[in-house]
Amino acid sequence: GGIITQTPKFLIGQEGQKLTLKCQQNFNHDTMYWYRQDSGKGLRLIYYSITENDLQKGDLSEGYDASREKKSSFSLTVTSAQKNEMAVFLCASRDWGGGAEQFFGPGTRLTVL
Amino acid sequence: GQQVQQSPASLVLQEGENAELQCNFSSTATRLQWFYQHPGGRLVSLFYNPSGTKHTGRLTSTTVTNERRGSLHISSSQTTDSGTYFCAIDPNYNVLYFGSGTKLTVEP
Repeated sequence: GGIITQTPKFLIGQEGQKLTLKCQQNFNHDTMYWYRQDSGKGLRLIYYSITENDLQKGDLSEGYDASREKKSSFSLTVTSAQKNEMAVFLCASRDWGGGAEQFFGPGTRLTVL
Repeated sequence: GQQVQQSPASLVLQEGENAELQCNFSSTATRLQWFYQHPGGRLVSLFYNPSGTKHTGRLTSTTVTNERRGSLHISSSQTTDSGTYFCAIDPNYNVLYFGSGTKLTVEP
């Protein structure tokens, strides 16, 4: 078994601020993901990474940067937080290769004042 | 792009009733996955079911790939089943595409 941890659990920022969210996994999974979930909605992919130092854009990458510092960690940066933005950011990981399930972290809830 | 449609959007049951959640998708090679999300909680994988039928406890997942549909059956529902259920497809072995979810409320 393994676990995915996300920090912080709650993040409050000011408009225009750069904010960073962090994710760690101990599954030894190759691929990691960042999703955004707006209230009452499904998940939308922001970035993913299939190995250390790799980055792939998802449908929602504009306004975000990501960094895969090492196999176990994946960071997401909101480059300029937008006022009234409120969403949960979910990190996930999986083994590379067909047939692998994705496992999710508990999420970081972002509020921009 | 990939399309994943879930129905119904919401469902209210009395405890003990059964539920049938539907998922329709645009790709034939889907590797369908079902998730459960408790309000305010993380997503928990329920089933990874590329095709056929799988059972876990009171839950049954059925995927009919050539008809581009899947279903999640919950038997004898309990109040603790309340939450949101998502289906997702993985047509390219790398990225999941999610439906918008079915919000289930089970009343005592």
